[in-house]
Amino acid sequence: QKEVEQDPGPLSVPEGAIVSLNCTYSNSAFQYFMWYRQYSRKGPELLMYTYSSGNKEDGRFTAQVDKSSKYISLFIRDSQPSDSATYLCAMKGTSYGKLTFGQGTILTVHP
Amino acid sequence: DTAVSQTPKYLVTQMGNDKSIKCEQNLGHDTMYWYKQDSKKFLKIMFSYNNKELIINETVPNRFSPKSPDKAHLNLHINSLELGDSAVYFCASSQGTSGGAKETQYFGPGTRLLVL
Repeated sequence: QKEVEQDPGPLSVPEGAIVSLNCTYSNSAFQYFMWYRQYSRKGPELLMYTYSSGNKEDGRFTAQVDKSSKYISLFIRDSQPSDSATYLCAMKGTSYGKLTFGQGTILTVHP
Repeated sequence: DTAVSQTPKYLVTQMGNDKSIKCEQNLGHDTMYWYKQDSKKFLKIMFSYNNKELIINETVPNRFSPKSPDKAHLNLHINSLELGDSAVYFCASSQGTSGGAKETQYFGPGTRLLVL
């Protein structure tokens, strides 16, 4: 069993829809949680960064962490075709910089 | 200006060859990483260097050898390439390792390696 599980999709939604992306994890030592966006043939870029449990909002993006359930989510409001990408969750505990990634969810927002 | 750059972008080679991938960051970061992304998009860390010192060395065949000549550079040398080495290799850097915003890892554009 992988430490971080993420449904690879693909997920296809119409423009303007609310998108919900999720990851579950098994390692209770994880404290830092991130969402990366990766466009085709590009490197991942950081979207959201959250420490411990709670919510964080940035524009159309909201990240939620529920450590008790070992479950994190990313919500995208008013999705746009430019949001079409692979979304990777990532997390770490206290070890030096070692990020553990989910498999990534492929999202397509169609006009 | 590109923050994290990698060369080459594409690498096609025969089994058994030796190849190197270079990475440079101009962000003034202390820590650099190598990741491997397989065909299913699964991104897995291979190595990490902090101030030229190896701090993460995952279960990677010893055919893979990282080298950090200085803080701004982290190269990856691969000996005796195998078909299973075909993947996209990403370099990344971060300001620190101890947590918080300094943990933000910035990724390069990737090097697509195809072993025939």
